[in-house]
Amino acid sequence: AQSVTQLDSQVPVFEEAPVELRCNYSSSVSVYLFWYVQYPNQGLQLLLKYLSGSTLVKGINGFEAEFNKSQTSFHLRKPSVHISDTAEYFCAVSSTDTDKLIFGTGTRLQVFP
Amino acid sequence: DVKVTQSSRYLVKRTGEKVFLECVQDMDHENMFWYRQDPGLGLRLIYFSYDVKMKEKGDIPEGYSVSREKKERFSLILESASTNQTSMYLCASSLLAGFTDTQYFGPGTRLTVL
Repeated sequence: AQSVTQLDSQVPVFEEAPVELRCNYSSSVSVYLFWYVQYPNQGLQLLLKYLSGSTLVKGINGFEAEFNKSQTSFHLRKPSVHISDTAEYFCAVSSTDTDKLIFGTGTRLQVFP
Repeated sequence: DVKVTQSSRYLVKRTGEKVFLECVQDMDHENMFWYRQDPGLGLRLIYFSYDVKMKEKGDIPEGYSVSREKKERFSLILESASTNQTSMYLCASSLLAGFTDTQYFGPGTRLTVL
């Protein structure tokens, strides 16, 4: 069965520092990958997604992610974070042989001044 | 912008009560979803619907049912609430069939069952 692993449950970082949130998925023939963000007391919203094409995907708020098929990873990066990036981030995967969207357990990014 | 609204942000119910959680989307989306979100478990799919009067079980349907009488409205029903159903419930919708399209989420309902 398809699965998603977010290796870090919490990532503390200082403002203006770079950040990487890690996501690995179980292998499948064809996968579709997503990062969603949940700000405090809100629902989730899409940051970016990979369906096909370029492996480097740019999203909203300066985030980007790289699809690495050989390492089955889709890590999220931002070169310089802001206080307002404090939120929970969810990686999710679907595939042609899985009739659902599987979410990871989430990574809480806390940005300190 | 797509807007998904949920009837309550916070709800407190007693064990054994029948609970209705309502979700409405305003973008004529075909697909609607109910998830529950628990710390350390991420989001888990309860039910989804591709069309009016159509429903499909997700990963954790036990103890829940759903109703979709109109395209824009998707209700989650807890037939007899139990304490282990205390959770955050998130509704979502998407335009296209399947699970590759962007899902738009409501703000969530935090349900406490006493």
